[in-house]
This record gives sequence, C-alpha cells and structure tokens, in this order.
Amino acid sequence: AQKVTQAQTEISVVEKEDVTLDCVYETRDTTYYLFWYKQPPSGELVFLIRRNSFDEQNEISGRYSWNFQKSTSSFNFTITASQVVDSAVYFCALSAHNNAGNMLTFGGGTRLMVKP
Amino acid sequence: AAGVIQSPRHLIKEKRETATLKCYPIPRHDTVYWYQQGPGQDPQFLISFYEKMQSDKGSIPDRFSAQQFSDYHSELNMSSLELGDSALYFCASSWNQETQYFGPGTRLLVL
Repeated sequence: AQKVTQAQTEISVVEKEDVTLDCVYETRDTTYYLFWYKQPPSGELVFLIRRNSFDEQNEISGRYSWNFQKSTSSFNFTITASQVVDSAVYFCALSAHNNAGNMLTFGGGTRLMVKP
Repeated sequence: AAGVIQSPRHLIKEKRETATLKCYPIPRHDTVYWYQQGPGQDPQFLISFYEKMQSDKGSIPDRFSAQQFSDYHSELNMSSLELGDSALYFCASSWNQETQYFGPGTRLLVL
C-alpha cells in the first residue's frame, strides 16, 4: 500500500518569507513517481513537478525548489520569497509505475496562506 | 496548449437523481482518470481507462459507472445520488503513464 503524509495542515507566512512544505511517503514499489500539485482557491489542480524514484537531483524553477531524499522518503517543496499569489493548498502525490496501474495517492494537503 | 475539458462545470441535483459528467482528455493522451474530492479532503481515485479499456478501479461506489468512448472522451455516470456525493469531480489524462494533467473539475451539489 502507498501512503503520503503532509504533516503541516496549514502554514501562514508574511510575504517575502521563505516557506518549506514537507512531504513523506511510503511505498513498496522500487519504481515510482512523486508529484506536487497546487490547488488555488478557484479549485483547479495545477501540476508543478514530477520526480521519478531514480532521480534524486534537486530541482529549482524560479522561486520554487524541491528536495528529494530517498533515504528519508521525503520530497519537500520550498517557496522562496513567497507572494500572495502563492496562497493555495499544495498536494504531494505518489504513483507507482507498474502494471497494476498508476493512480495518484495524495497527501492530505497543506494550506499555505501568504499575508501581505 | 490544449488542456483537459470537463463539462458541466457545476451541477445541482436532487437526492436519488442521476448525473453524467463528461471529460475530454488532452489530444493523444492514452489514459483517463477520475477522482473525487470531498470538501476539505484530498482527491480520491475512482477509476481509470487506458486505450478505452478499464485499467484500474479505486473506491468507486457501485452506483457509479464510467466508460471511455472511441473518440477517447470519458463519461462518469452517477445514479441514486446521495448527499455525500456532493464533491468536486476531477478528470485527468496522461500519456504513457506519466504526468497526470487535471481538468478544471465538475462541482456537484446534491440537495
């Protein structure tokens, strides 16, 4: 069975602060993908990043960066110099890549509130 | 770039009625997924189709059924609606089991 845990249910920061969203996962599969999705107040789910289990390189995209550590089964997401538009619920998700299907298992989400 | 299209965007039904949600995947994507997101919850996988065949099944109630048609669009049919079915229903599509891209969702309210 797969499980994704986002221990932080809500985080509140002031604009321009850096913030890190934690994600811990469990899986018995050796090949899997990890994802982050953003859900703004309008409700859609926006894809941010995908990482496969063989690629532990950290990634940076503008103000966003991701730290994947297989040894601790974590895939954390950092927003640098947060902005009000970053306010949203962020979901970490996991999918196995096998013949049994690749449905996404989501964490409970972290609601980020960025205050001006 | 083309995105996943879902219709309708909003739907209000009475208890025990039926509802049909439609999904048009991104062109050339071979897999369609359906998810249900209750208020304040994370999305839960319902069912998926690969090349028009059901490929996986999650926590989909027996009152719900789905299919994928020859033009790759998919429909989720929901019968005997209950108050607890009120949720945001997402369709997603992917190619080669890679990244799932989500549609804007259908917000269903059962009264």
